[in-house]
Amino acid sequence: DADVTQTPRNRITKTGKRIMLECSQTKGHDRMYWYRQDPGLGLRLIYYSFDVKDINKGEISDGYSVSRQAQAKFSLSLESAIPNQTALYFCATSDRDFNQPQHFGDGTRLSIL
Amino acid sequence: DQQVKQNSPSLSVQEGRISILNCDYTNSMFDYFLWYKKYPAEGPTFLISISSIKDKNEDGRFTVFLNKSAKHLSLHIVPSQPGDSAVYFCAASAYGNEKLTFGTGTRLTIIP
Repeated sequence: DADVTQTPRNRITKTGKRIMLECSQTKGHDRMYWYRQDPGLGLRLIYYSFDVKDINKGEISDGYSVSRQAQAKFSLSLESAIPNQTALYFCATSDRDFNQPQHFGDGTRLSIL
Repeated sequence: DQQVKQNSPSLSVQEGRISILNCDYTNSMFDYFLWYKKYPAEGPTFLISISSIKDKNEDGRFTVFLNKSAKHLSLHIVPSQPGDSAVYFCAASAYGNEKLTFGTGTRLTIIP
């Protein structure tokens, strides 16, 4: 979805480095999410935010932190990257109304050596 | 514990025929179900959804069926077209909880 922009699209870094992945959206949605995808495991939720002051852990939040800088911006940080955090990361947004689909960015491919 | 399961990693279908993708779930609290399509190097794209008060939802060539007693949903694509070749994920959420739980995906290949 072109209205959800993730940067960078690809990143290679070394173990122990701090990394920030950024997500911005022009859909005007209140809710934003970070997922990671690993081969054979589908998408798993890392963190989610229902508004600027609301941050919640997902099922695999260990080793990650997030910041909701504005309604339109939600960043994911790896404080000290490790190789098993190598994955495809997706940001998503959704409207606050009941039963609304999430809309995804095109992902960041992160490799940690 | 995989609460949403897609047991077929891949499926090949002739162009023009029906594609049927299946998904099973274990959490009885799930009441909203979605299908997403994903092309390489792109994010998942929302395709179609269904709430638990319905057993069928149709949108053009795509129909989703929900069997609550069996905890099973399926996506039918008729007729299948080459552009339908992609990975398909089913996902589910429970009322008041907008977190989605995804299946592992099924790679659909449409053979011309």
